[in-house]
Parts: sequence; structure tokens; C-alpha cells
Amino acid sequence: QSVLTQPPSVSAAPGQKVTISCSGSSSDIGDNYVSWYQQLPGTAPKLLIYDTTQRPSGIPDRFSGSKSGTSATLGIAGLQTGDEADYYCGTWDGRVSAWVFGEGTRLTVL
Amino acid sequence: QVQLQESGPGLVRPSETLSLTCTVSGGSIPYYYWSWIRQPPGKRLEWIGYIYYSGTISFSGTTNYNPSLKSRVTISLDRSNNQFSLNLHSLTAADTAIYYCARGQYYNGPPDYWGQGTLVTVSS
Repeated sequence: QSVLTQPPSVSAAPGQKVTISCSGSSSDIGDNYVSWYQQLPGTAPKLLIYDTTQRPSGIPDRFSGSKSGTSATLGIAGLQTGDEADYYCGTWDGRVSAWVFGEGTRLTVL
Repeated sequence: QVQLQESGPGLVRPSETLSLTCTVSGGSIPYYYWSWIRQPPGKRLEWIGYIYYSGTISFSGTTNYNPSLKSRVTISLDRSNNQFSLNLHSLTAADTAIYYCARGQYYNGPPDYWGQGTLVTVSS
């Protein structure tokens, strides 16, 4: 089963923009929508982006998603200290018919 | 708004079977994909599997499991109580994790609503 590759950590100053990458393969990201989750310390993951670019109700437009080929990117603009969390990408792997998650990226707002 | 709540033992012995239940409130079971997902301490999320029920009286549900866990996993429904359950057999310390239940809207779609999670420790 594939595991999506993310950088272990990223950091930026308040107010700045950061991007988090998620690399996969043709059977997962390359052929399916991508989702992104935010996990604050000690809490369950929260859906931030679905269908690669869509935001659920209540998610601010500071969060954005995109995809190119077998890689996807989460963008977070206007960083706030409350954005410090772990971020996970996820998608369907059609080769094994299973949902797969990325390794997770810890965001630090300096 | 739909809410999910996991329940079950916090400590299980190696080689035994873990049984967890997820109670769904504010929504109904049919026409959604009900998943179990786990997260070992400090590690990434791992999808365990889901069950889907179409609402047919005689139909118990369709399941789909993570290939890496398929031989040890069973997910089932209790429609009368609006619950679904996870059984994970032959436990080892590697199964120690926070276990989440979650809802998805289509077979290859993201889990959107999640329970708060329950920590399960496998230890003698």
C-alpha cells in the first residue's frame, strides 16, 4: 500500500504564506481527488480541503488546495499562531482500493 | 449535525481481540461510508476500513478493508442502535493507537465527520 510523502515540518512567520506538498503516484493522487486535514494537538483530524480544491463550510479561504500530476499542495495564507498543527493529505489508492494518508507535516508559526 | 462517539476498552492484552463501537447521533446509517481509522502515538493516520449500508432491510452492508489489515479486521453494523463496530484480532503492541470512527459520503471520498478518538493500549 502506498504512503503519500510529505515534508516532516514547515515553518513561517505570522501573516506569511506557507505551502505543504504531498507526493504520490499514478494510482492515488494521479487518478483521484485529494483531501487535506488539520490536526491540532490532542484532537481528531478536521477536514480542510476535499475534492482537491474545495473547502467545507466554515473553513476560511486562507486555506487552498491544488494538484499537478501526482503531487498536491496545500496553501495557507495569512498565517496565525492558531494554525500550528499537523497537516495530512489523503486520497484514494485505486490500485488497492484503500484510502491512504500522507506522513504528516508539522507547521510551526514562528 | 452528525456526531460520532467511540467506546470500548482502553487496555487489551496481546493476542486478544479488540472490539470498539461507534455510536452515530444526529444522522442515520444508510447511504454513508462508515470508517475506522487509527493513529499510533506520534505517527501518521492509517485507514482500517469501512462499511456501507444501502438501506435494504435484508442487506447487512458492504465492507472494504486496508489490505495490510484485512486478515485481522471485521467491521459490522447495528442498524437498530445506529452503531457500527470494529473487531481487530490477534493484537500486538504495534496495534496500540488512537482509534477514530468517521463518516464518508462516497466510496473513494474523504472521511468528513470524525469521532474524538479513543486510545487503545495493547499490553500484558
